[in-house]
This record gives sequence, C-alpha cells and structure tokens, in this order.
Amino acid sequence: DTGVSQDPRHKITKRGQNVTFRCDPISEHNRLYWYRQTLGQGPEFLTYFQNEAQLEKSRLLSDRFSAERPKGSFSTLEIQRTEQGDSAMYLCASLRQGSYEQYFGPGTRLTVT
Amino acid sequence: DQQVKQNSPSLSVQEGRISILNCDYTNSMFDYFLWYKKYPAEGPTFLISISSIKDKNEDGRFTVFLNKSAKHLSLHIVPSQPGDSAVYFCAASGYGSSNTGKLIFGQGTTLQVKP
Repeated sequence: DTGVSQDPRHKITKRGQNVTFRCDPISEHNRLYWYRQTLGQGPEFLTYFQNEAQLEKSRLLSDRFSAERPKGSFSTLEIQRTEQGDSAMYLCASLRQGSYEQYFGPGTRLTVT
Repeated sequence: DQQVKQNSPSLSVQEGRISILNCDYTNSMFDYFLWYKKYPAEGPTFLISISSIKDKNEDGRFTVFLNKSAKHLSLHIVPSQPGDSAVYFCAASGYGSSNTGKLIFGQGTTLQVKP
C-alpha cells in the first residue's frame, strides 16, 4: 500500500455514458498526476496538479476529459460520452515537491462496452 | 515519438542468477531516471532511481547504472528471486528548469524468475 487510493477499482460502462474516478493522494504531497495505461504499454501522462492548480494537460486529454482538484487534496477525473478507445487503466500518482519519486495508486480499470 | 524505450518485452532467468533489464532514452534533457515494478491489477511501485549526475545507485539487491553518453540505463537484480517476477518500467523525468515532474515511461519488460 503506497498510501494513494483510487475509487472505483473497476468500472464497466456503456459507450456514451459519463464516468468519474476519484484519487486520494498522500496527504503531504502537493503534486498529483493522472496517467493512462493500455495493454502492452507504459503509463502515459494525462495531466497534473500542483495544489489545486492544473498546470499541464497532455494532448491525449481530449475535450471529453476533465480533471479537478478543488481543495488541493483529492482529485477527480471525468470522462464524458465514453468511447471504446477510452478503455484503459487510469492511474493516479502523488509527489512531494522537490522529489522525483511518484507514488501510484492501484488504478481504476475502465471497460467501455 | 518514443522518448524512452525498453526493447526487450520479456526476460526469463533462473532463481539466484542476475537479471539485467535495459532502457534507452533519446532526450538529453532528462535529469532523473526511475525504475518501477508492477504486478497485475496493481499500480506501479517505485523501486530505485538515479540522478543524471551519477552513474550508479545501489539499494540492496538492486543496482541501476546510467551511461549518459550512450543514453542508456540498466537495472541489475542480484540474486534474482521468484518474487521479482513482474513487469518492470523504466521512466524518465525532468526538463531542466521547467521540471513538471511528469514521468515518461518505457513500454515495460516482463521478468520471469524461474525457481
């Protein structure tokens, strides 16, 4: 247990539905990252927050994706109008500023049918 | 554009022998490198890291070597144990003064340690 939790662990949804995932980072870590991992690939960066500010978004993050970290603590990642290509493992990681080692949660596996 | 590459999808070694996992990168601006281990249905777990100002870092059975001129790093596990069987990811971070901390991962190498 790294101290980073994600909910839910698994989500099955039908194409076109909206889904929301939650991440609770390690409390003293001010940076939070979202990654997406598909089969046979390494995790790919999606976006990151420093406290409540979203500072960078990957071009992988289409308009259907939105992320928030309202009070600089937990974060949510929402996918609207899901597509089959969104099926992946969504990973959250937290980082103490000044450090390099990110600590990952267990991930949320999304399956879009 | 794959900036971090792990060219060996899989590796099989005998228990007690050395496991060597390799990683190549293309961006000379990376200044920190990390290895993560991942079991099925779990998130990646941090294993060991190395700064670009060093060429070796050791932690118990795990040693990471960095060759900056070749843009190559490797992870050595000695002795290998069956519990080491997992997917290993190499990751790179840092872009000089604008360090966002985001990690660029390789594709992973599946290590199998046979008893």
